[in-house]
Amino acid sequence: KAGVTQTPRYLIKTRGQQVTLSCSPISGHRSVSWYQQTPGQGLQFLFEYFSETQRNKGNFPGRFSGRQFSNSRSEMNVSTLELGDSALYLCASSWTGTSGRGDTQYFGPGTRLTVL
Amino acid sequence: AQKVTQAQTEISVVEKEDVTLDCVYETRDTTYYLFWYKQPPSGELVFLIRRNSFDEQNEISGRYSWNFQKSTSSFNFTITASQVVDSAVYFCALLLGANSKLTFGKGITLSVRP
Repeated sequence: KAGVTQTPRYLIKTRGQQVTLSCSPISGHRSVSWYQQTPGQGLQFLFEYFSETQRNKGNFPGRFSGRQFSNSRSEMNVSTLELGDSALYLCASSWTGTSGRGDTQYFGPGTRLTVL
Repeated sequence: AQKVTQAQTEISVVEKEDVTLDCVYETRDTTYYLFWYKQPPSGELVFLIRRNSFDEQNEISGRYSWNFQKSTSSFNFTITASQVVDSAVYFCALLLGANSKLTFGKGITLSVRP
């Protein structure tokens, strides 16, 4: 089975712009989660989507948003980029995503976003 | 609130040495799951092992083994006969039973020298 794929792998933007990142989960996985990784804050949970609905959300401003399509592919969007948004954005997919199952999350290679 | 502490920040060993990575977690939930992930320089988080809160049996899988102790809220991970390819950042993570948010520790940078 193919793993989680993320596009693009690298992105350079300037402050004030917006960006859209894409994630394709492992075939059959219905839950997609997004994480931000920075040297200062480490790995932080952004949000999780299951069956096209946002099911969980971390403590990030409304500039960070996402969506999931009927084929489980997900996108996240960051509007009005700030320098502090420079980070590695990781997407993870899990099997059923059913609450209470504690499904293992499998991660993609990440998108490295640099904001100038 | 849940928390994961990885007190070690950097470990350096010589190839073939055994190395243990420590992890201490905090949660009030009775159902939870613990994970270890490896992040090589390429950036991708690679799943290594997983343990459920209701199963304290420790296991060995190849060169990897783990020691889960609920009494001390610890989930330590051991690599036996380390190899240069084991050099990476290792993260311990906690997942609560009714949630899908992984809480990560700060990570341990492991360097294995030839």
